[in-house]
Amino acid sequence: DIVMTQTPLSSPVTLGQPASISCRSSQSLVHSDGNTHLSWLQQRPGQPPRLLIYRISNRFSGVPDRFSGSGAGTDFTLKISRVEAEDVGVYYCMQATQFPYTFGQGTKLEIK
Amino acid sequence: QVQLQESGPGLVKPSQTLSLTCTVSGGSISSGGSYWNWLRQHPGKGLEWIGFIYYSGSTNYNPSLKSLVTISKDTSKNQFSLKLSSVTAADTAVYFCAREVAGSGFFDYWGQGTLVTVSS
Repeated sequence: DIVMTQTPLSSPVTLGQPASISCRSSQSLVHSDGNTHLSWLQQRPGQPPRLLIYRISNRFSGVPDRFSGSGAGTDFTLKISRVEAEDVGVYYCMQATQFPYTFGQGTKLEIK
Repeated sequence: QVQLQESGPGLVKPSQTLSLTCTVSGGSISSGGSYWNWLRQHPGKGLEWIGFIYYSGSTNYNPSLKSLVTISKDTSKNQFSLKLSSVTAADTAVYFCAREVAGSGFFDYWGQGTLVTVSS
């Protein structure tokens, strides 16, 4: 299985300041179809996960443009340009390049 | 807009079979183009992919659970289901259903999740 490792596991951030989460995969996530199936999800307390970013850097419908994704191969980053109170929750990276699909451990974003 | 809703017993006894159903609205599970997935989240923990079913009936399961899992569908009710046999306390989790556009590599629609507790 591909192991997804996120850092940090906890991120206290001041409102209005940027935040960054890293995700590293144990092997390249480039699929044979040429795409890199790396996505980011947000899970607010008591809610199901919500898709934020797919294929490294594509924002899903309705996702604010303060969220951005980048990276390639085995190293990926989710950035929030200016954290808002509604961004509190746990963020997961996920790979769907190889079965079984696997997730990072999650990064808890909290406000200082 | 596709909506998914899980349903089923919230309490299952050890060694029995966990059975959950996901009802889909706003889209047909019998039309091609989507994988219909089950995932779970142990209390306070991360996410685990269980498997999916395609409109054709073909399935793909996580090898860690493969021998215990069956995902099936009922196109007349626009539902798909999960059966997990021989459950133990370690199967206590929130179970989610989710859609993946086939080959897209991401889950765009999720159900709210349902907590299943395995306890005698």
